[in-house]
Amino acid sequence: QSVLTQPPSASGTPGQRVTISCSGGSSNIGTNHVYWYQQLPGTAPKLLIYRNNQRPSGVPDRFSGSKSGTSASLTITGLRSEDEADYYCASWDDSLSGVVFGGGAKLTVL
Amino acid sequence: QVQLVESGGGVVQPGRSLRLSCSGSGYLFSSFGIHWVRQAPGKGLEWLAGVSFDGNVEYYADSVKGRCSISRDNSKDTVVLQMNSLRVEDTAVYFCAKSAIFRGLKKSLIYFDNWGPGTLVAVSS
Repeated sequence: QSVLTQPPSASGTPGQRVTISCSGGSSNIGTNHVYWYQQLPGTAPKLLIYRNNQRPSGVPDRFSGSKSGTSASLTITGLRSEDEADYYCASWDDSLSGVVFGGGAKLTVL
Repeated sequence: QVQLVESGGGVVQPGRSLRLSCSGSGYLFSSFGIHWVRQAPGKGLEWLAGVSFDGNVEYYADSVKGRCSISRDNSKDTVVLQMNSLRVEDTAVYFCAKSAIFRGLKKSLIYFDNWGPGTLVAVSS
């Protein structure tokens, strides 16, 4: 049972827009930044979004993040086959004094 | 470029201990925190522990507090995660990850911009 709640799966066809949600509480998302990681099959996670909506250099602008209250979301526009991966949200939790991850959402490109 | 490499994984019996190492290169190792995250087979990511850039601050998840200790040797660009009293449910790929913020101590800014490829720990009798 993850502290941050994500849908287990999401899907879309090439070119579509997909949004993955991440729900938390006042001790994590409500107070701290949200981060998103992409994990391609068989590889280590990769930073996708930091400080709620910032993209590291090299991450396409098709990826965007937002946060409102105790929830956050990752939006992918112009979906491509190479976007098929697991996506995790993360945040610091003040009550647990640690980093918490969402359970991960498996994105399938149909 | 930044490179992190984990070592020390393998098969270990329940109740035994294991020492995982993370070596960093391609950046100023002593100025960035290092954290450990694990992933059980077919499961999601679980943060375990972290250490600040100078080794003075340690962070632990409740799930491993008391069984794990993290330390760093900046003269060797290495962080060690010592895990004791291993259980079958500790079976996972263990990743080390670099904190993104230079000499960062602000907790809400703890996030990871580089990860190692991971090392597999299998706890089995």
